[in-house]
Parts: sequence; structure tokens; C-alpha cells
Amino acid sequence: ETGVTQSPTHLIKTRGQQVTLRCSSQSGHNTVSWYQQALGQGPQFIFQYYREEENGRGNFPPRFSGLQFPNYSSELNVNALELDDSALYLCASSLLSEETQYFGPGTRLLVL
Amino acid sequence: AQSVTQLDSQVPVFEEAPVELRCNYSSSVSVYLFWYVQYPNQGLQLLLKYLSGSTLVKGINGFEAEFNKSQTSFHLRKPSVHISDTAEYFCAVIATGGGNKLTFGTGTQLKVEL
Repeated sequence: ETGVTQSPTHLIKTRGQQVTLRCSSQSGHNTVSWYQQALGQGPQFIFQYYREEENGRGNFPPRFSGLQFPNYSSELNVNALELDDSALYLCASSLLSEETQYFGPGTRLLVL
Repeated sequence: AQSVTQLDSQVPVFEEAPVELRCNYSSSVSVYLFWYVQYPNQGLQLLLKYLSGSTLVKGINGFEAEFNKSQTSFHLRKPSVHISDTAEYFCAVIATGGGNKLTFGTGTQLKVEL
């Protein structure tokens, strides 16, 4: 059974640029959730995707957007990067009918 | 809405000593409860979860937690810690009946010393 994978592992961008982060779900899972973990903080929910549709969103601006593909993999896009976007971005997969989310290793984004 | 409080930001403990990491939550609806562990430069690994039934739940690596509804707590315990338990521990909740987001506490850094 393959776990949740994310790419890239690390990324450096400058303010104002755009970034795309990728996530592959654990085998058999149909739901993907994205979280932002700032340094020294707990993860904060960005949004969730189920069957290629957004299924809930946290308190993040519209410049944070996502996609889910038919194979349940997902992308997180962030436009107009700001310094405060520097964080570890975590992807979690699950079944919509179940409550347990399984996390990938994360992508560490640094915005200069 | 839900919130999670982990009052201890850091807990130092000697190897083979017992440890308790505290977690309290607030919610207007019923919740499921989780503990995750994060090793340096890694993602989150599920330690244990409470969904229903017995209020004492056992997880991986010898950890256990007890759900106390009256005190809205879900404290994590281990009777004897090892150096390899050094990590960040996060308590999290999710609303029952279709909740889609985990709400996390700010984490507790467990540092096990020789």
C-alpha cells in the first residue's frame, strides 16, 4: 500500500511569484485535504477536495486554490506569494466516509 | 467551531520516566479526537484516535490516551519514554457527522534526555 506522497520536498520563491505543490493520495482514498503549518504552530486547514470539487475551506484568501484529478491526486496553487506564506504545506488523504486523515511528508516553502 | 489547547509547549523528561502531554478542547458539537506525532523535518504520523466506545485508547509506540468528556480533555500518556520519542506532538479534533477539517493545537515538544 502506497502512502501519501508530496512534491517537491523544498521550494524557494520570491514575493509575488506563483507556486504549485503536488500530492498523491494513499491508495483507495478519494478525499484530499491541505494544511499550512507555520513555524512553531499547529497545522491550519486550507481546504478539502472530494470528487474534484472543493468540499470545505478554511480562512485562507482566494489566492490559495486547488485542484483534484480523476486519480484523486491534487495540487495546491498559491498566487502572489507573500513572505507569510513561508511554511510547511501538508497534504492528507482519507475516505470521505471516514474521519481519519493520513498525512504526507510535506513541502517546505520559503518565500524571500 | 472547535478549538484545541495544549498548555505545555515543551515537556522535558528523562529516559524511562513516565510522561503526560495535556490536551483540552472546546466544541459546540461532538468530536472525534486524535494525537499525531511529528519528527523533525517530517509530516504527521497518527499515534491514536478516539471515535467511540472505551475512553482509554491505545496507540502505537506504547502511547495511550484517555477521553474525559466532562473535563473535555484527551491527555496522552506513556509509562516509560525512550530517546526516540523526542518529537512534536499534536492533539486534534474533528466534528462528528461529516466534519471535514482537523483543528489542531499548537503542539507540545517532548524532549527526552539521558
